[in-house]
Amino acid sequence: EPEVTQTPSHQVTQMGQEVILRCVPISNHLYFYWYRQILGQKVEFLVSFYNNEISEKSEIFDDQFSVERPDGSNFTLKIRSTKLEDSAMYFCASSEGGIIYTFGSGTRLTVV
Amino acid sequence: GQQVMQIPQYQHVQEGEDFTTYCNSSTTLSNIQWYKQRPGGHPVFLIQLVKSGEVKKQKRLTFQFGEAKKNSSLHITATQTTDVGTYFCAAEYGNKLVFGAGTILRVKS
Repeated sequence: EPEVTQTPSHQVTQMGQEVILRCVPISNHLYFYWYRQILGQKVEFLVSFYNNEISEKSEIFDDQFSVERPDGSNFTLKIRSTKLEDSAMYFCASSEGGIIYTFGSGTRLTVV
Repeated sequence: GQQVMQIPQYQHVQEGEDFTTYCNSSTTLSNIQWYKQRPGGHPVFLIQLVKSGEVKKQKRLTFQFGEAKKNSSLHITATQTTDVGTYFCAAEYGNKLVFGAGTILRVKS
């Protein structure tokens, strides 16, 4: 069964450092997303991406965040200057058109 | 607003007992989806409900969408230890899913 692949599985970074989280969505999917889940809390929407541009973003997705699809397969989330409160699981997801969202296994980001 | 309320927050049942989680929205939903997240895992799609009053079954799981398309429920009959995890409902708004807070299910064997 097709999978969404995320790397790394765990990233530890110093506060103020930049991190890039990587995702390889399912190849024939057109819509890409980033969500995050702070430990013990619900899954929160960050951003959706379609046709090489952001289609929607949440209040969480401020100027510190950016997304990119640098080639035909990767989809990245960059956090420019990490804060302690950015510590969370970050899930990438993709869909053909909003029917079934397939989530990756996540990157656990720990900011120290 | 774009939020989905989900209850209960937590349920601890004896193996073999039934389990139900409920979701409510103040607005009419175009559809609602259900996901399961195992401890330490990622959300896994279970089902999507689209039609008013729709009922779908997957083995011991029964999913319902209210007549007004503002509420939904997931019912598990005769829980097993493999059912443990967090069950989330999620509503689609435009280009995103908005998740409920989730119901954590623990099963005592």
